[in-house]
Amino acid sequence: DSGVTQTPKHLITATGQRVTLRCSPRSGDLSVYWYQQSLDQGLQFLIQYYNGEERAKGNILERFSAQQFPDLHSELNLSSLELGDSALYFCASSPLSGVWGTEAFFGQGTRLTVV
Amino acid sequence: DAKTTQPPSMDCAEGRAANLPCNHSTISGNEYVYWYRQIHSQGPQYIIHGLKNNETNEMASLIITEDRKSSTLILPHATLRDTAVYYCIVRVPNHGTASKLTFGTGTRLQVTL
Repeated sequence: DSGVTQTPKHLITATGQRVTLRCSPRSGDLSVYWYQQSLDQGLQFLIQYYNGEERAKGNILERFSAQQFPDLHSELNLSSLELGDSALYFCASSPLSGVWGTEAFFGQGTRLTVV
Repeated sequence: DAKTTQPPSMDCAEGRAANLPCNHSTISGNEYVYWYRQIHSQGPQYIIHGLKNNETNEMASLIITEDRKSSTLILPHATLRDTAVYYCIVRVPNHGTASKLTFGTGTRLQVTL
């Protein structure tokens, strides 16, 4: 158990809909990262927040947005969903402000299926 | 970030050492080599990292060549539970500048009986 909690574990929704994925980082970790992994694809970095502020941005679509709340949990919002958005979405946390550190711990992911 | 090159797949017999290579010929002086693995559809797991010296922990050993252009992750006694995709990532730790971070395709290690 990495200590990073993601909910829900599975999500099935229709095209055009909007969903919210939630991530609770490890206790005390200030950084949260979001990654997308499509079927048989590598992990694509989406976005990072540090202590409530956006710190780094990757290949995140304009239809996607994220935020980190004062209690440090984070939400990834996906809107106007398309079939191609079906993927595993991972959250990772780290106590460090940098984009990568040794202490990057990943949650078990949310599997999103768009039908 | 320096680009890494890994073989797409490798096989290893259970109980034998698994040696996973990674080329990072454009690595710069302040970049570290990190290894992560992903067991089928689970979240990636940190294994080990190093700058220039060989490193060992309870999971694996990391051998970095003297010129730092390549490295090898060694799982000394592979088990079936080590079957996973292994990612080699070269990165400056705590690098605050925004950048696109993309895992490569990694090496799919299959441990067999």
